[in-house]
Amino acid sequence: ILNVEQSPQSLHVQEGDSTNFTCSFPSSNFYALHWYRWETAKSPEALFVMTLNGDEKKKGRISATLNTKEGYSYLYIKGSQPEDSATYLCAFPNQAGTALIFGKGTTLSVSS
Amino acid sequence: ETGVTQTPRHLVMGMTNKKSLKCEQHLGHNAMYWYKQSAKKPLELMFVYNFKEQTENNSVPSRFSPECPNSSHLFLHLHTLQPEDSALYLCASSQDPASGSNTGELFFGEGSRLTVL
Repeated sequence: ILNVEQSPQSLHVQEGDSTNFTCSFPSSNFYALHWYRWETAKSPEALFVMTLNGDEKKKGRISATLNTKEGYSYLYIKGSQPEDSATYLCAFPNQAGTALIFGKGTTLSVSS
Repeated sequence: ETGVTQTPRHLVMGMTNKKSLKCEQHLGHNAMYWYKQSAKKPLELMFVYNFKEQTENNSVPSRFSPECPNSSHLFLHLHTLQPEDSALYLCASSQDPASGSNTGELFFGEGSRLTVL
């Protein structure tokens, strides 16, 4: 059974704080790791698709790292803003490679 | 026009009703998906269509019936649903390599919120 685990489940920070979340996935037969942001009343949107061990990707104040040997990825948000409030999902291809399996997500709330 | 459009956005139906959810993508993708979001659960994969052929049925009850008439349209036909089927149903599309392996990012619709009474 393929499991994608995310922690913490929820997080509340103050504006300006930096924060990070974890995604754990099976380290064998690695293919790709996806991060998505899902804002309330909107559709999930892709942040990063990561494929190489040691890869680091950045989009504005958000960055992600990947360790395929130990099976984890970190998502970092520097200087959190209220508009960063969302659920952050990571996803991993299923064994058939036909679709993505999602974790439960980390719900971030940023107070001004 | 948005990339992936789902209709209706909200649907209330009785357990004996027959209804359908519709998804349309304008991105030229060749793979489409149905996911289900229930409270406090991760997004659950239901069906995958690749080049209009169903490649995955994730043990979904037969009261859910998908249809993919072409690579731009995907339907989910609903019949004799149960109250526990109330959820947000998300459609997504992606561009997959011809080999069928999936590393392409998913583009989601805004979902159809279903309530079964």
